Parts: sequence; C-alpha cells; structure tokens
Amino acid sequence: DQQVKQNSPSLSVQEGRISILNCDYTNSMFDYFLWYKKYPAEGPTFLISISSIKDKNEDGRFTVFLNKSAKHLSLHIVPSQPGDSAVYFCAASAGSGGSNYKLTFGKGTLLTVNP
Amino acid sequence: GAVVSQHPSWVICKSGTSVKIECRSLDFQATTMFWYRQFPKQSLMLMATSNEGSKATYEQGVEKDKFLINHASLTLSTLTVTSAHPEDSSFYICSASITGRGYTFGSGTRLTVV
Repeated sequence: DQQVKQNSPSLSVQEGRISILNCDYTNSMFDYFLWYKKYPAEGPTFLISISSIKDKNEDGRFTVFLNKSAKHLSLHIVPSQPGDSAVYFCAASAGSGGSNYKLTFGKGTLLTVNP
Repeated sequence: GAVVSQHPSWVICKSGTSVKIECRSLDFQATTMFWYRQFPKQSLMLMATSNEGSKATYEQGVEKDKFLINHASLTLSTLTVTSAHPEDSSFYICSASITGRGYTFGSGTRLTVV
C-alpha cells in the first residue's frame, strides 16, 4: 500500500520555466512533509519541508504548497536550472517534524531541465 | 555541519558471504538512525530504526536475523547483510536524525551479490 504517491515518474521542462512536482498521500496521520533531491548513487539531499499547520513554505527558488483537504502537496521550482535535474522524492512523517519519526517516501520523479 | 559518512560506497561480494556497511555521524551525535533500501526506480523503503544502546526496530517483512543492525555508540551504526544472496543486491542508505534539525542521509552503498 503506497501511502505516499508520486504519480509522474518523469518531468521535462525548459530552463527558466517553472517545474511543478506533485505528491499525494493517503495517511491522514501524516503531519510533516519533506522534499528531497537525489542524484544517482548518492544519498538524498534535503530541499524543503512543510508542517501541516501551514499551506505554503518558500525557500529561494523552491516553494512547497500543501492542500490538506486534498491530501496533496506540490513543489514548485522557479526558475528551473539545468543543475536541478535529478530525482525528487516526496516524504511524509507522522511526528510533527520530530526527527525520531520514520519517513515514508514516494517513488520519486525524475526532473530534467533542458538548456 | 550534520554530515553522515557511509561506507563503503559500493561492494561486490559472493553469494553466501556477509557484508558490513557503516554509517557515522561526523559532527553530531545521532540518537536515532534509519536504514533504507532502494531498488531501481523504486522509493526508499525503510528497513529498520536503530536507537543507540537498544535493539533495532524492524519494519514488517524485513528479516532481523539477515539484516543485523548495531548502534553501539552515538556516532556509529552498522548494517550487516548476512549470507547475502543476489536478491539482496540493492542500494542501502542510512539516515541520522538530529533533534530539531531533521534528517541527514549518508551517500549510500551499492551492494552487488554475485
């Protein structure tokens, strides 16, 4: 049972445009969400997170939106750069951001930003 | 700061042998470490959670006698794949939790069992 779903295995955008990566979840106990970026044969790198008490969090070019009623979140990258090309994982936790709680990951979306 | 060093980065071993993977927190103390496995084009699947000084908690379907986890100190956790078989070939990643700061991942270990 996939509790965190990233239904788009890949996304291709032009440099300078917006990249929108989507994530859906089914477990209503999840209250903290994170986005990670991963290159092949490397560990994930933290990008941005959001608590369920918020509906938006912004950090530079990265913005995460959370729609709790729809159990949906999205990561917006604007403007997209070729260096953003990687696999992006959505993750969720039921620990209110407490870091001793396990993360549940989606399958990832491969983002390719074309020059 | 908050660096997790994982090694080896890759290992090839013969079927039936055991392989140990180490995960060290370099500049902080990690009371909790998580071990994940990733198959190609799949998500990171949590295998177990280890707390310093106590037994690891394994996820459903993960054989604790096959995947031995030791978290003997606040800076070191190890995963030993015992009697490895080709189906154990995967990418293994550790993660350390930092109170108030989230999670930091190691760089991963590519295990190939031949």
